[in-house]
Amino acid sequence: GAVVSQHPSRVICKSGTSVKIECRSLDFQATTMFWYRQFPKQSLMLMATSNEGSKATYEQGVEKDKFLINHASLTLSTLTVTSAHPEDSSFYICSANKGGSTYEQYFGPGTRLTVT
Amino acid sequence: AQSVAQPEDQVNVAEGNPLTVKCTYSVSGNPYLFWYVQYPNRGLQFLLKYITGDNLVKGSYGFEAEFNKSQTSFHLKKPSALVSDSALYFCAVRDRGSQGNLIFGKGTKLSVKP
Repeated sequence: GAVVSQHPSRVICKSGTSVKIECRSLDFQATTMFWYRQFPKQSLMLMATSNEGSKATYEQGVEKDKFLINHASLTLSTLTVTSAHPEDSSFYICSANKGGSTYEQYFGPGTRLTVT
Repeated sequence: AQSVAQPEDQVNVAEGNPLTVKCTYSVSGNPYLFWYVQYPNRGLQFLLKYITGDNLVKGSYGFEAEFNKSQTSFHLKKPSALVSDSALYFCAVRDRGSQGNLIFGKGTKLSVKP
């Protein structure tokens, strides 16, 4: 199998605080992980591509200083939302490439962030 | 630019009837196409993909999709719908210009009534 986990599944934080979301590939190594954001009843929008051992590549319009991504190992990428505001409330989903020629991405279960 | 279109926001089907969820794409070169399903407050689950080879692709849970190059379509189908198939379905194309991220359609909500 190819399982990706996210932690936490839900988090509520106060405005101005920071929150970290973890994405782990449990049974495979992922040199590349992706972070998506999904608004209610909308599609997934790519925020950034996370590469192990190097800086993340952010999509246009995504603030790299606000959404800090660290891909410290082949099985773990983290997204930290800094100085969170209510408009950052969303469903954040990570995915990982298993590698090889499958081209499949395996998605985590998502993290529901609510900023009050 | 590569893009994916899902023309229907919602598809309603009676249980036991065949279902089709439409997807068209716009890519340069040969496309890598995917279907994913999302249940409420959950991540995406892979259903099937087309990379090359047979145009009819069979996937998980009895779903299949047909790649039609001339119509640039990749419609998702199932011969007999189940109530448990009710979910949000996303068509996606792999962005060749990047490190492999997916470009998603807006999603189609499938509702299967008993």
